[in-house]
Amino acid sequence: DIQMTQSPSSVSASVGDRVIIICRASQDVSTWLDWYQWKPGKAPKLLIYAASSLPSGVPSRFSGSGSGTEFTLTIDSLQPEDFATYFCQQAKSFPFTFGPGTKVDLK
Amino acid sequence: QVQLQESGPGLVKPSQTLSLTCIVSSASISGGNYYWSWIRQPSGKGLEWIGDIHYSGSTHYNPSLKSRASVSVDTSKNQFSLRLSSVTAADTAVYFCARAKRDPWYFDYWGQGTLVTVSS
Repeated sequence: DIQMTQSPSSVSASVGDRVIIICRASQDVSTWLDWYQWKPGKAPKLLIYAASSLPSGVPSRFSGSGSGTEFTLTIDSLQPEDFATYFCQQAKSFPFTFGPGTKVDLK
Repeated sequence: QVQLQESGPGLVKPSQTLSLTCIVSSASISGGNYYWSWIRQPSGKGLEWIGDIHYSGSTHYNPSLKSRASVSVDTSKNQFSLRLSSVTAADTAVYFCARAKRDPWYFDYWGQGTLVTVSS
């Protein structure tokens, strides 16, 4: 199985800050990497697919980059509704595997 | 807006079979190149993909579950189901259903999740 790691595991930030989250894969996943946002009690939400593509309706302050084994999720100008947990997921091969998550909370 | 809602018992006894259903709204389970998926998160642990099914019957499973998992689809009711046999406390988790789009693969809609506890 492809192992996914994320750093940091948590980050404290203020509204307006730029937040960068890193996701690493244990082997090359090309650009088959997705990012999700999750708030307790709610359904996870797709933020980025195929490493850098933004689904319709996702604010442009979210962006993704990377290929191979290292990827980043950037949130420009953090908004109050962005305090949540973010996790990555490789979609290169079965079984699909997820990163452990990065919690973004209020400083 | 596509909606998915998990339903099923919140408590299952060890060695029994866990059964969950996901009802899909505002989308046809028979339409498009989608795989209908189950994912879980044990308490304090990361997400684990369990398996999925296409309306045609094609399935994928996580080998870590050692063939205990079975996903089925009922197109007449627009829902799909998970059965996980011989459960232990390690199967206690929040279970999510989700829709996976293929090529590129991603989960574009998820349910809110349902907690299933395995305990006698």
